[in-house]
Amino acid sequence: GESVGLHLPTLSVQEGDNSIINCAYSNSASDYFIWYKQESGKGPQFIIDIRSNMDKRQGQRVTVLLNKTVKHLSLQIAATQPGDSAVYFCAENHSNYQLIWGAGTKLIIKP
Amino acid sequence: NAGVTQTPKFRILKIGQSMTLQCTQDMNHNYMYWYRQDPGMGLKLIYYSVGAGITDKGEVPNGYNVSRSTTEDFPLRLELAAPSQTSVYFCASTRRLAGEMDTQYFGPGTRLTVL
Repeated sequence: GESVGLHLPTLSVQEGDNSIINCAYSNSASDYFIWYKQESGKGPQFIIDIRSNMDKRQGQRVTVLLNKTVKHLSLQIAATQPGDSAVYFCAENHSNYQLIWGAGTKLIIKP
Repeated sequence: NAGVTQTPKFRILKIGQSMTLQCTQDMNHNYMYWYRQDPGMGLKLIYYSVGAGITDKGEVPNGYNVSRSTTEDFPLRLELAAPSQTSVYFCASTRRLAGEMDTQYFGPGTRLTVL
């Protein structure tokens, strides 16, 4: 089965509010995690990543939080915009070469 | 740079036909990957390559073959197409050096239907 999973398949958020997308992983030995954004009809696009020796990392309007105790990862998007509508995937480094991907969360922005 | 390019964008195959999905990257990346994505699902790794002449199986390699004769190209071959291979196929690449994180850059995908 999947070693990376997501809590919610769809998330609806009011435009301007903050979005929080959650992800659980099962391999405690994973040392690298990535969030990708996939818009309809396009390939995944890198958003932000984090190593296991960190618990927080910030980018432009996005923050990734890593809780190794409960093996949980979250992506926070500040001031959600219509352009943020997409499916968001978390992925973990399963080995030196492979990423294991979760099923994705679809983010819907309400006007 | 064009990044990662894939051809064709769409293809319909009959059961038993064969085809090659092309992938090219112009970023001088050493690592390249092929994934498939079924509707509403995440990506599953088919094959990957850590450099020219070196390939290895991923999570779902059955029914596929790859080759890596150059740094730039990483074609994926389907020999006997089956309906279970209906999917969207993504090629990705990364320049993976010691200490660097594995940020993969993706192509636009090939949508394959097997009837």
